[in-house]
Amino acid sequence: GAVVSQHPSWVICKSGTSVKIECRSLDFQATTMFWYRQFPKQSLMLMATSNEGSKATYEQGVEKDKFLINHASLTLSTLTVTSAHPEDSSFYICSARRDTRGYGYTFGSGTRLTVV
Amino acid sequence: GENVEQHPSTLSVQEGDSAVIKCTYSDSASNYFPWYKQELGKRPQLIIDIRSNVGEKKDQRIAVTLNKTAKHFSLHITETQPEDSAVYFCAASRSRTGANNLFFGTGTRLTVIP
Repeated sequence: GAVVSQHPSWVICKSGTSVKIECRSLDFQATTMFWYRQFPKQSLMLMATSNEGSKATYEQGVEKDKFLINHASLTLSTLTVTSAHPEDSSFYICSARRDTRGYGYTFGSGTRLTVV
Repeated sequence: GENVEQHPSTLSVQEGDSAVIKCTYSDSASNYFPWYKQELGKRPQLIIDIRSNVGEKKDQRIAVTLNKTAKHFSLHITETQPEDSAVYFCAASRSRTGANNLFFGTGTRLTVIP
């Protein structure tokens, strides 16, 4: 149990376009999902916390207008990178908590975004 | 906020030897400490975790120790194998409060030499 599906696994887009990444909890409900960004050979940096039915909480330095997060249901959160630029190229990973006590974080498979 | 530091950044060991990775954290309210293994381009995989009410936990060749007073925790891998080669991340979280996201360490690239 506790499977998180993330799509697409990789995407190449042109500068100025927008890209949507989906994160789904397949066999559990996730009131909270987290979006991370990982540059090559670096750690996972939390971008935002996505809460079902309410606005996401963004970490300092993350532009909320550029990285749009929508958590419309208990099983789906989306991250849209708007007006993408080459510096947005990165590995984006979502995570969901599978129980309300806060333990048990499950990660999606990640999305490799390349902006050309 | 929480600040998790991890050392060393790279570690090479001979097959069969032990590997130890250490992390420190700053937030005394953190009470959940997982360790993840990440292979290139893949998602982090939980390998072991420990909660603040426990000082040590072991799972076959992997063990984690926690010193709450000193705010540090360590990963121990014994009898290392080439397939243990990967990047390992420690993390810390306040699991019972609203601020319950994971804060990750900077990672350790472990290479097990056959």
